[in-house]
Amino acid sequence: GAVVSQHPSRVICKSGTSVKIECRSLDFQATTMFWYRQFPKQSLMLMATSNEGSKATYEQGVEKDKFLINHASLTLSTLTVTSAHPEDSSFYICSARPPGLDRDTEAFFGQGTRLTVV
Amino acid sequence: QKEVEQNSGPLSVPEGAIASLNCTYSDRGSQSFFWYRQYSGKSPELIMFIYSNGDKEDGRFTAQLNKASQYVSLLIRDSQPSDSATYLCAVPAASGGSYIPTFGRGTSLIVHP
Repeated sequence: GAVVSQHPSRVICKSGTSVKIECRSLDFQATTMFWYRQFPKQSLMLMATSNEGSKATYEQGVEKDKFLINHASLTLSTLTVTSAHPEDSSFYICSARPPGLDRDTEAFFGQGTRLTVV
Repeated sequence: QKEVEQNSGPLSVPEGAIASLNCTYSDRGSQSFFWYRQYSGKSPELIMFIYSNGDKEDGRFTAQLNKASQYVSLLIRDSQPSDSATYLCAVPAASGGSYIPTFGRGTSLIVHP
């Protein structure tokens, strides 16, 4: 299957600082990427849908000014958690979908980023 | 709101048994269905997808789809301890001209020796 690389896999930062997470599709061009957050023992929560060259679409309740998403190229999307606080500590996962019929095309996941804000 | 429902479990089965995982969905127009496996602390990985009514088999895994009843299930034969994980059902939901993967909460499976 297609490869999606997410970096870093683990990050610890101080409260009030910003953290950038990168998601790259290595062997396909991804016009759409998704960003999820997952708290321990809970389901994946879609945060936003990122479309190359346009603004991200955020899910209800997700602060777009706090979680900045940039999808500047067909192979790279970034999520920046600004002014991070301990409650932002979570597992952040990106996924990317190859070109094709959206309905029938699976999305491939990155390895995830474990963010801990201290 | 389009929903995907799964029993969170845990579902506990002995090694060698058949594990049966179920998922129901609310959007009658859904056409494709995906099963992902997620180990603790890891991201999900695709194990099966199914588009047509009936059964689809891949090794020890069988996906079953019943569109009339709006459920999709995953059977794991000869369950192994290494199958212990959370299994996520995903159904693409139409949104703004595109399709957004919508995930169930996942079912935790424990296979005990």
